[in-house]
Amino acid sequence: SQQGEEDPQALSIQEGENATMNCSYKTSINNLQWYRQNSGRGLVHLILIRSNEREKHSGRLRVTLDTSKKSSSLLITASRAADTASYFCASPSSGGYNKLIFGAGTRLAVHP
Amino acid sequence: NAGVTQTPKFQVLKTGQSMTLQCAQDMNHNSMYWYRQDPGMGLRLIYYSASEGTTDKGEVPNGYNVSRLNKREFSLRLESAAPSQTSVYFCASSSSERGSGAFFGQGTRLTVV
Repeated sequence: SQQGEEDPQALSIQEGENATMNCSYKTSINNLQWYRQNSGRGLVHLILIRSNEREKHSGRLRVTLDTSKKSSSLLITASRAADTASYFCASPSSGGYNKLIFGAGTRLAVHP
Repeated sequence: NAGVTQTPKFQVLKTGQSMTLQCAQDMNHNSMYWYRQDPGMGLRLIYYSASEGTTDKGEVPNGYNVSRLNKREFSLRLESAAPSQTSVYFCASSSSERGSGAFFGQGTRLTVV
């Protein structure tokens, strides 16, 4: 079974708006990662947040982590058409630090 | 710096045929992975290798075998392909540094007819 579950499954917004995606996970983790996948391409690592961190920023990305609720959120501010992609959260399974298990993803469409 | 290279990019197999998907990384990473992605779904881990000489089953290992030939290469073998194995396969690698992000190849689109 998948470690993370994203919500919503799909999101459609206009350029300039903010996009928020949520991820819930099942077991205790030492870090949680977010990835982007453009259609038909491999995944690209966006950001990693460790279990002792509550918030992390990278450019227009903001990630939060609530270990008590076993959830994380990814916020993309001032979205652009180029942000159109699928976004996945991933975390190591209980078997190791790097044995990454992915959620089903959120498909984001940003309209000009 | 090529990163993670997968071959082939596309493959059509007949049911029962065998094939090996190749993956190589040039980043000196210890950890390597094979995932499959079905339409509209996330990635499911097939096998994982924490280091040269070690492999571990993931979420969906049935019907697959792997070989960590050396630190650079991690191959995935389908001994007797089935239509249910039609999917896009991704190889990835990551550093053994605790909690580092993974780098992905561009994928192999496999169709089993």
